[in-house]
Amino acid sequence: DAGITQSPRHKVTETGTPVTLRCHQTENHRYMYWYRQDPGHGLRLIHYSYGVKDTDKGEVSDGYSVSRSKTEDFLLTLESATSSQTSVYFCAISDGENEKLFFGSGTQLSVL
Amino acid sequence: ILNVEQSPQSLHVQEGDSTNFTCSFPSSNFYALHWYRWETAKSPEALFVMTLNGDEKKKGRISATLNTKEGYSYLYIKGSQPEDSATYLCAFLHSGGGADGLTFGKGTHLIIQP
Repeated sequence: DAGITQSPRHKVTETGTPVTLRCHQTENHRYMYWYRQDPGHGLRLIHYSYGVKDTDKGEVSDGYSVSRSKTEDFLLTLESATSSQTSVYFCAISDGENEKLFFGSGTQLSVL
Repeated sequence: ILNVEQSPQSLHVQEGDSTNFTCSFPSSNFYALHWYRWETAKSPEALFVMTLNGDEKKKGRISATLNTKEGYSYLYIKGSQPEDSATYLCAFLHSGGGADGLTFGKGTHLIIQP
């Protein structure tokens, strides 16, 4: 299994609070991604990174920011959580932009 | 937003039977088609990455075919086993897309009944 660790695994927070999710990889893969999974939708890309300090927006980036200060860590921040951000968040990594993805175990986030 | 459709949404199959399901995607600007298996309480796991029209990939009892000209891919499972129960996702990568170019379908939820 690819070495990807997401933390926390579960988080309950209140509307308006900041939340940071962490993705840590030990594979030295260049690309890292944050997806969200919601009922009735396929996995949707929030943000991705193609190197240290190189990030870009995905399909559903509003309300989220990311940072990648080291190859192994990719942080997703909800500046002010809203109930619409209740979701399961998956981190993924890949060796190239067109290569298969390896996924982390997911973070279940509930915003009350 | 690109349209990637998977059918059926869910499927119940008797153990031992073979089955297949479909992923439809835009037939223009094709670059690659991914298949993933997603077991309950686990994370998606890559099965195949397909790039060429007519491509056929196989992994054990699971195989996939690709028709880029008409925009579809089939996933086949031969002799279904209970451990095949999972959601199967396809994802389309268009030729203009880079790391953000992968669009996922909603999946086919497969249940194998003993």
